[in-house]
Amino acid sequence: EAQVTQNPRYLITVTGKKLTVTCSQNMNHEYMSWYRQDPGLGLRQIYYSMNVEVTDKGDVPEGYKVSRKEKRNFPLILESPSPNQTSLYFCASLGRHYNEQFFGPGTRLTVL
Amino acid sequence: KQEVTQIPAALSVPEGENLVLNCSFTDSAIYNLQWFRQDPGKGLTSLLLIQSSQREQTSGRLNASLDKSSGRSTLYIAASQPGDSATYLCAVETSGSRLTFGEGTQLTVNP
Repeated sequence: EAQVTQNPRYLITVTGKKLTVTCSQNMNHEYMSWYRQDPGLGLRQIYYSMNVEVTDKGDVPEGYKVSRKEKRNFPLILESPSPNQTSLYFCASLGRHYNEQFFGPGTRLTVL
Repeated sequence: KQEVTQIPAALSVPEGENLVLNCSFTDSAIYNLQWFRQDPGKGLTSLLLIQSSQREQTSGRLNASLDKSSGRSTLYIAASQPGDSATYLCAVETSGSRLTFGEGTQLTVNP
Protein backbone atom coordinates (compact mmCIF):
# COMPACT_ATOMS: atom_id res chain seq x y z
CA GLU A 1 0.00 0.00 0.00
CA ALA A 2 1.30 3.43 -0.99
CA GLN A 3 1.73 5.49 2.13
CA VAL A 4 3.63 8.05 4.16
CA THR A 5 4.44 6.98 7.70
CA GLN A 6 5.51 9.09 10.65
CA ASN A 7 6.86 8.16 14.06
CA PRO A 8 6.10 8.75 16.78
CA ARG A 9 2.44 9.65 16.47
CA TYR A 10 2.40 11.31 19.88
CA LEU A 11 5.28 12.77 21.87
CA ILE A 12 5.50 14.74 25.10
CA THR A 13 8.92 16.13 25.91
CA VAL A 14 10.62 18.90 27.86
CA THR A 15 12.28 22.09 26.72
CA GLY A 16 15.76 21.58 25.33
CA LYS A 17 15.69 17.80 24.88
CA LYS A 18 16.64 16.98 21.31
CA LEU A 19 14.14 14.92 19.36
CA THR A 20 13.64 13.49 15.89
CA VAL A 21 10.39 12.76 14.11
CA THR A 22 10.84 10.25 11.34
CA CYS A 23 9.04 10.26 8.01
CA SER A 24 9.16 7.57 5.38
CA GLN A 25 7.41 7.07 2.04
CA ASN A 26 7.28 3.97 -0.13
CA MET A 27 6.26 5.61 -3.40
CA ASN A 28 9.73 6.57 -4.65
CA HIS A 29 8.73 10.24 -4.59
CA GLU A 30 11.49 12.79 -5.02
CA TYR A 31 9.76 15.69 -3.27
CA MET A 32 9.01 15.59 0.46
CA SER A 33 8.05 18.29 2.94
CA TRP A 34 7.15 18.99 6.55
CA TYR A 35 4.23 21.10 7.78
CA ARG A 36 2.97 22.19 11.14
CA GLN A 37 -0.68 22.82 11.88
CA ASP A 38 -1.79 25.27 14.55
CA PRO A 39 -5.27 26.59 15.42
CA GLY A 40 -5.95 29.89 13.71
CA LEU A 41 -2.81 29.60 11.57
CA GLY A 42 -3.61 26.58 9.45
CA LEU A 43 -0.91 24.42 7.88
CA ARG A 44 2.47 26.06 7.30
CA GLN A 45 5.46 24.56 5.54
CA ILE A 46 8.62 24.10 7.62
CA TYR A 47 11.12 22.55 5.19
CA TYR A 48 11.00 20.76 1.89
CA SER A 49 13.31 18.58 -0.16
CA MET A 50 13.33 18.33 -3.94
CA ASN A 51 15.58 15.27 -3.92
CA VAL A 52 18.30 13.44 -2.00
CA GLU A 53 20.74 15.89 -0.39
CA VAL A 54 18.61 18.86 -1.55
CA THR A 55 16.67 20.67 1.16
CA ASP A 56 15.30 24.19 1.52
CA LYS A 57 13.46 26.34 4.01
CA GLY A 58 9.72 26.76 3.95
CA ASP A 59 7.74 29.48 5.67
CA VAL A 60 8.58 28.67 9.30
CA PRO A 61 12.00 26.92 9.46
CA GLU A 62 13.34 28.49 12.69
CA GLY A 63 14.15 25.90 15.33
CA TYR A 64 14.05 22.93 12.93
CA LYS A 65 16.51 20.91 10.90
CA VAL A 66 16.01 18.24 8.28
CA SER A 67 18.13 15.81 6.34
CA ARG A 68 17.60 13.82 3.17
CA LYS A 69 20.26 11.14 2.91
CA GLU A 70 18.05 8.72 1.04
CA LYS A 71 14.95 9.16 -1.07
CA ARG A 72 12.46 7.42 1.17
CA ASN A 73 13.28 9.15 4.49
CA PHE A 74 12.99 12.78 5.55
CA PRO A 75 13.41 13.19 9.33
CA LEU A 76 12.54 16.39 11.17
CA ILE A 77 14.98 17.32 13.93
CA LEU A 78 14.36 19.68 16.83
CA GLU A 79 17.77 20.32 18.39
CA SER A 80 16.42 22.27 21.37
CA PRO A 81 12.62 22.15 21.45
CA SER A 82 10.69 25.02 22.98
CA PRO A 83 7.02 25.26 24.05
CA ASN A 84 6.14 27.30 20.94
CA GLN A 85 6.95 24.21 18.89
CA THR A 86 4.02 22.38 20.44
CA SER A 87 1.97 21.54 17.38
CA LEU A 88 0.62 18.90 15.02
CA TYR A 89 3.24 17.97 12.43
CA PHE A 90 2.64 16.44 9.02
CA CYS A 91 5.05 14.95 6.56
CA ALA A 92 4.07 14.86 2.88
CA SER A 93 5.45 13.54 -0.38
CA LEU A 94 4.64 14.61 -3.90
CA GLY A 95 3.48 12.19 -6.55
CA ARG A 96 4.40 12.47 -10.18
CA HIS A 97 0.81 11.85 -11.23
CA TYR A 98 -0.81 15.27 -11.37
CA ASN A 99 1.46 16.49 -8.56
CA GLU A 100 -0.84 15.11 -5.89
CA GLN A 101 0.54 15.45 -2.38
CA PHE A 102 0.24 12.52 0.03
CA PHE A 103 0.22 13.22 3.75
CA GLY A 104 1.31 11.15 6.72
CA PRO A 105 -1.01 10.61 9.71
CA GLY A 106 0.53 13.38 11.79
CA THR A 107 2.66 13.64 14.93
CA ARG A 108 1.24 15.51 17.88
CA LEU A 109 4.14 17.08 19.79
CA THR A 110 3.89 18.71 23.19
CA VAL A 111 6.90 20.56 24.60
CA LEU A 112 6.63 21.34 28.30
CA LYS B 1 2.77 36.38 -0.67
CA GLN B 2 0.03 33.89 -1.47
CA GLU B 3 -2.92 33.89 0.91
CA VAL B 4 -5.76 31.39 0.88
CA THR B 5 -9.11 32.07 2.51
CA GLN B 6 -11.95 29.62 3.06
CA ILE B 7 -15.53 30.59 3.71
CA PRO B 8 -17.45 29.66 5.77
CA ALA B 9 -15.24 28.60 8.68
CA ALA B 10 -17.94 26.21 9.86
CA LEU B 11 -21.10 24.82 8.33
CA SER B 12 -23.84 22.62 9.71
CA VAL B 13 -26.42 21.09 7.37
CA PRO B 14 -29.06 18.36 7.51
CA GLU B 15 -28.38 15.10 5.76
CA GLY B 16 -29.24 15.05 2.06
CA GLU B 17 -28.56 18.72 1.44
CA ASN B 18 -26.32 19.89 -1.39
CA LEU B 19 -23.65 22.31 -0.26
CA VAL B 20 -20.83 24.51 -1.51
CA LEU B 21 -17.54 25.32 0.15
CA ASN B 22 -15.58 28.33 -1.03
CA CYS B 23 -11.88 28.98 -1.39
CA SER B 24 -10.17 32.13 -2.62
CA PHE B 25 -6.50 32.89 -3.24
CA THR B 26 -4.68 36.16 -3.80
CA ASP B 27 -2.08 35.22 -6.43
CA SER B 28 -3.41 33.61 -9.58
CA ALA B 29 0.03 32.27 -10.57
CA ILE B 30 -0.66 28.76 -9.34
CA TYR B 31 0.19 25.33 -10.72
CA ASN B 32 -2.82 23.59 -9.26
CA LEU B 33 -5.38 23.65 -6.49
CA GLN B 34 -6.10 20.69 -4.24
CA TRP B 35 -8.97 19.95 -1.88
CA PHE B 36 -8.29 17.81 1.17
CA ARG B 37 -10.37 16.27 3.87
CA GLN B 38 -9.15 16.05 7.47
CA ASP B 39 -10.87 13.99 10.13
CA PRO B 40 -10.27 14.81 13.81
CA GLY B 41 -6.88 13.57 14.94
CA LYS B 42 -6.10 12.22 11.48
CA GLY B 43 -4.00 13.21 8.53
CA LEU B 44 -5.08 14.81 5.28
CA THR B 45 -6.74 12.86 2.50
CA SER B 46 -6.60 14.29 -1.00
CA LEU B 47 -10.05 14.59 -2.56
CA LEU B 48 -9.58 16.41 -5.83
CA LEU B 49 -6.75 18.14 -7.64
CA ILE B 50 -7.38 20.68 -10.40
CA GLN B 51 -4.53 21.63 -12.67
CA SER B 52 -4.23 25.35 -13.47
CA SER B 53 -5.36 24.66 -17.05
CA GLN B 54 -8.51 22.86 -15.93
CA ARG B 55 -11.87 24.27 -14.91
CA GLU B 56 -13.23 21.43 -12.79
CA GLN B 57 -12.78 17.91 -11.50
CA THR B 58 -15.36 15.41 -10.32
CA SER B 59 -15.18 12.40 -8.05
CA GLY B 60 -18.41 10.71 -7.05
CA ARG B 61 -20.57 13.22 -5.19
CA LEU B 62 -17.79 15.82 -5.20
CA ASN B 63 -17.21 18.46 -7.82
CA ALA B 64 -14.50 21.10 -7.60
CA SER B 65 -14.27 24.10 -9.88
CA LEU B 66 -11.44 26.54 -10.48
CA ASP B 67 -11.54 30.09 -11.79
CA LYS B 68 -7.88 31.03 -11.77
CA SER B 69 -8.32 34.54 -13.09
CA SER B 70 -10.64 35.51 -10.25
CA GLY B 71 -8.74 33.47 -7.66
CA ARG B 72 -11.65 31.26 -6.66
CA SER B 73 -12.50 27.62 -6.25
CA THR B 74 -15.60 25.88 -5.00
CA LEU B 75 -16.15 22.37 -3.70
CA TYR B 76 -19.66 21.12 -4.30
CA ILE B 77 -20.90 18.17 -2.26
CA ALA B 78 -24.10 16.57 -3.47
CA ALA B 79 -26.56 14.73 -1.23
CA SER B 80 -24.47 15.18 1.91
CA GLN B 81 -24.15 12.31 4.41
CA PRO B 82 -23.12 12.22 8.08
CA GLY B 83 -19.91 10.51 6.97
CA ASP B 84 -18.99 13.68 5.11
CA SER B 85 -18.51 15.46 8.44
CA ALA B 86 -14.89 16.62 8.54
CA THR B 87 -12.74 19.67 7.96
CA TYR B 88 -12.18 20.50 4.30
CA LEU B 89 -8.97 22.23 3.35
CA CYS B 90 -8.11 24.02 0.16
CA ALA B 91 -4.47 24.39 -0.91
CA VAL B 92 -2.79 26.02 -3.89
CA GLU B 93 0.56 24.96 -5.26
CA THR B 94 3.02 27.62 -6.31
CA SER B 95 6.63 27.49 -7.42
CA GLY B 96 8.88 24.92 -5.80
CA SER B 97 5.96 22.53 -5.26
CA ARG B 98 4.99 24.54 -2.20
CA LEU B 99 1.44 24.32 -0.90
CA THR B 100 -0.31 27.25 0.76
CA PHE B 101 -3.33 26.17 2.77
CA GLY B 102 -6.52 27.84 3.84
CA GLU B 103 -7.66 27.37 7.42
CA GLY B 104 -10.44 25.05 6.40
CA THR B 105 -14.19 24.71 6.64
CA GLN B 106 -15.49 22.49 9.42
CA LEU B 107 -18.52 20.64 8.05
CA THR B 108 -21.11 18.87 10.17
CA VAL B 109 -23.83 16.84 8.47
CA ASN B 110 -26.65 16.04 10.88
CA PRO B 111 -28.65 12.81 10.50
